Amino acid sequence: NAGVMQNPRHLVRRRGQEARLRCSPMKGHSHVYWYRQLPEEGLKFMVYLQKENIIDESGMPKERFSAEFPKEGPSILRIQQVVRGDSAAYFCASSPLRLRTGRNQPQHFGDGTRLSIL
Amino acid sequence: ELKVEQNPLFLSMQEGKNYTIYCNYSTTSDRLYWYRQDPGKSLESLFVLLSNGAVKQEGRLMASLDTKARLSTLHITAAVHDLSATYFCAVDHSTTQGGSEKLVFGKGMKLTVNP
Repeated sequence: NAGVMQNPRHLVRRRGQEARLRCSPMKGHSHVYWYRQLPEEGLKFMVYLQKENIIDESGMPKERFSAEFPKEGPSILRIQQVVRGDSAAYFCASSPLRLRTGRNQPQHFGDGTRLSIL
Repeated sequence: ELKVEQNPLFLSMQEGKNYTIYCNYSTTSDRLYWYRQDPGKSLESLFVLLSNGAVKQEGRLMASLDTKARLSTLHITAAVHDLSATYFCAVDHSTTQGGSEKLVFGKGMKLTVNP
């Protein structure tokens, strides 16, 4: 029973390159969340997606960052023209469909991708 | 805007001692999580607190929630070295009406338990 799978675990990019981070949610989960963790900080929400829909991207920087969760395949967090300040751990979480109460169920986290910018 | 504050942010304690750490949050929420994170690792879910007065215990850790005071505590009993980690509380910013579904995290408390 695989959990949330993220790859790669570590990614090194030079300034100006593109970074693509992948997240496969747990089986049966249709909600995906991306969070960013800077050193010595808590996780900060970036974006919440359901299949083929971005529900809330209020935590995403306005430029260079984008996310998608296609009908088939993993969710992708894409960072264009990376800068040193993008160095962080990026965590993906997933949860199943809403309960009848309308509340989402607890999120399960992947192991994260550590992005380093040279 | 929902803010979550943890106190203290760093704690060094001796094995065998007890201590309580605190998590305050600024707006109404009825779901609070405690996570543990080891260096370079993901978040391990410790507790989910769903209602006012909820108390949960697992081993040497006990968590409680007071939604009226907007406060959760994590109590450590007879600490051991293996408890050394960073502990995060996170508050559910979801609503039953839909819209944003996100967790707002505190900065974390780095715990070191000395033999």
